[in-house]
Amino acid sequence: DTAVSQTPKYLVTQMGNDKSIKCEQNLGHDTMYWYKQDSKKFLKIMFSYNNKELIINETVPNRFSPKSPDKAHLNLHINSLELGDSAVYFCASSQATSGGAETQYFGPGTRLLVL
Amino acid sequence: DQQVKQNSPSLSVQEGRISILNCDYTNSMFDYFLWYKKYPAEGPTFLISISSIKDKNEDGRFTVFLNKSAKHLSLHIVPSQPGDSAVYFCAASTGTYKYIFGTGTRLKVLA
Repeated sequence: DTAVSQTPKYLVTQMGNDKSIKCEQNLGHDTMYWYKQDSKKFLKIMFSYNNKELIINETVPNRFSPKSPDKAHLNLHINSLELGDSAVYFCASSQATSGGAETQYFGPGTRLLVL
Repeated sequence: DQQVKQNSPSLSVQEGRISILNCDYTNSMFDYFLWYKKYPAEGPTFLISISSIKDKNEDGRFTVFLNKSAKHLSLHIVPSQPGDSAVYFCAASTGTYKYIFGTGTRLKVLA
């Protein structure tokens, strides 16, 4: 029954590897997001997708490639992982309304540790 | 260039008293503000929001106040309960699918 789910919950990997994080929402929302929460607990938006189209890309390195196969899924693929990529990654979704008055529903987060 | 700031990293309050969490912002184009609550090992959950055309919004024990001239908003929780202990984030938006979050304030409600 989870509204926004992410897999895996934990990910430990070596520098230089490629990894993917999956996100699925069953709320029927048309907008999905990826956020990164770093060691200072700063929650920063990375990408926004609306109806499978990229809307926001917040100067994220092109090693990060989001993919939205349909409105319910937004996966995040990361190439050549670096130590600084270690963080908690949150997926979120919302239903667009005029004026940006949307409530975002967050997944539980994926804790990525790059060694 | 942090546009949304929560200057108090932590706050302790006695059960039954009022908790006041503060948030300041710099971008006058923000037109929508939200508060989220986060428990450990979980994602943030929506608490309450306010549009820039209002100065107050209330939902049960939670009230958000917006002072646009001061670029300041606050969340009041009354009465505070131990279950309110969590990290609280404020967020702001210009209505373009982009939300800027503050760094959070850890609230501890003491029984």
